[in-house]
This record gives sequence, C-alpha cells and structure tokens, in this order.
Amino acid sequence: DAMVIQNPRYQVTQFGKPVTLSCSQTLNHNVMYWYQQKSSQAPKLLFHYYDKDFNNEADTPDNFQSRRPNTSFCFLDIRSPGLGDAAMYLCATSRLTGSGTEAFFGQGTRLTVV
Amino acid sequence: SQQGEEDPQALSIQEGENATMNCSYKTSINNLQWYRQNSGRGLVHLILIRSNEREKHSGRLRVTLDTSKKSSSLLITASRAADTASYFCATKTGNQFYFGTGTSLTVIP
Repeated sequence: DAMVIQNPRYQVTQFGKPVTLSCSQTLNHNVMYWYQQKSSQAPKLLFHYYDKDFNNEADTPDNFQSRRPNTSFCFLDIRSPGLGDAAMYLCATSRLTGSGTEAFFGQGTRLTVV
Repeated sequence: SQQGEEDPQALSIQEGENATMNCSYKTSINNLQWYRQNSGRGLVHLILIRSNEREKHSGRLRVTLDTSKKSSSLLITASRAADTASYFCATKTGNQFYFGTGTSLTVIP
C-alpha cells in the first residue's frame, strides 16, 4: 500500500549530539512536511518542501534543518538537540494540485533527549 | 500564529452518546479539514468541508462550517470505545496545513 513511512519509531539521542530522522513516501506527492508535536499539543509545522523548494516557518529554530534528496525521501536533522526538543516528529505529504487536498501522515518518530 | 483553537480540550462520554467538538480559526480558508490521532500515532484525515459548504456528512461524522464566525464543529454520533482519540481541525494556507489545539475524546464502554 502507498504510504508514508518514518524511521525509526523511537529515537534516543544525547544532549547536543546531532540526530537525523527519516521519512519516505510511496505516494509520489509533491509536498512533504515536518511537524513537531509535544505532549497534548497540536502538531506544529517546522517546514515543508514543494518539490525541491524549501520553505521554513518563521519561528522554526535554526537548530532544525531538512534535506530532500529526491521525491521519495525527506530528512529532519537536529544539529544540537536540547531537552526541549524531545517530542513526536511527524512527517506528512500532500499533492500540490487543488485546494481540496489532504495531508497523509507517517506514524511519527518519538525523540527522547537524555 | 495561524493555529486554530478547539474546545473542549477534553471530552468524556459514554458509549452510544454523541460527541461534539468545536474549532475556531483565524484566516480565510478554501476548506477546513478534521483529523484523528490515536495515542502515539500519526494523524488520519477524516473529512473535508469546502468554504462554500455549510454541512457535510460521512458515516457517523457530521461537520458544519460557519465562515462568518470562522468556526466549525465535528459531531460524532453513536460513539464507540474505538472513537477514543484526539481530534484536530486543520486549515490550509498555500501549501501549509495548520492544526488546531485539539480535543481529546474518551468514550467509556
């Protein structure tokens, strides 16, 4: 089945040690998103790619970077994770065309910072 | 922030009862969407209502939209224990989806 896959499901990293989360999709969607979701809060958009065009949200910290080497894959790099970066990270995709498009989410990666 | 707000934050009902949750948003919209999130999982799209629609049904779901008040409601009828989850409204601006604060629904068997 076509889907959005995030690996790993759970990631533990040390304070200040760079970490990369990955996302792949078989939907061939133009747009890929990274969201940060803390406990009992709404998903917060960090950035998105429209094809190879990178779009950063104004309040996304510089500590967060992203790469999209091809249509299928997108990576979230956290350069120096702090305790406040512990959260669920959600990848999503959508088609570009039309306003009536929905977002398709992966199952998320729960990041713990120790 | 483009984030919408939902109320109530938490809702607990008995199986078989109806659940209503409300969403208010800030920007002009082409459509409004509702998503469900089971604990520790990703979000799943439930239903989309366009700005020129006032009401939409899908199975046990009923969504209303009032663009003059910038608000929407999601009604789940005849709730089941399996409906226990968090529910988020979302608006789309350009390519970006922005989510409301969410309602945590607990359906007691």
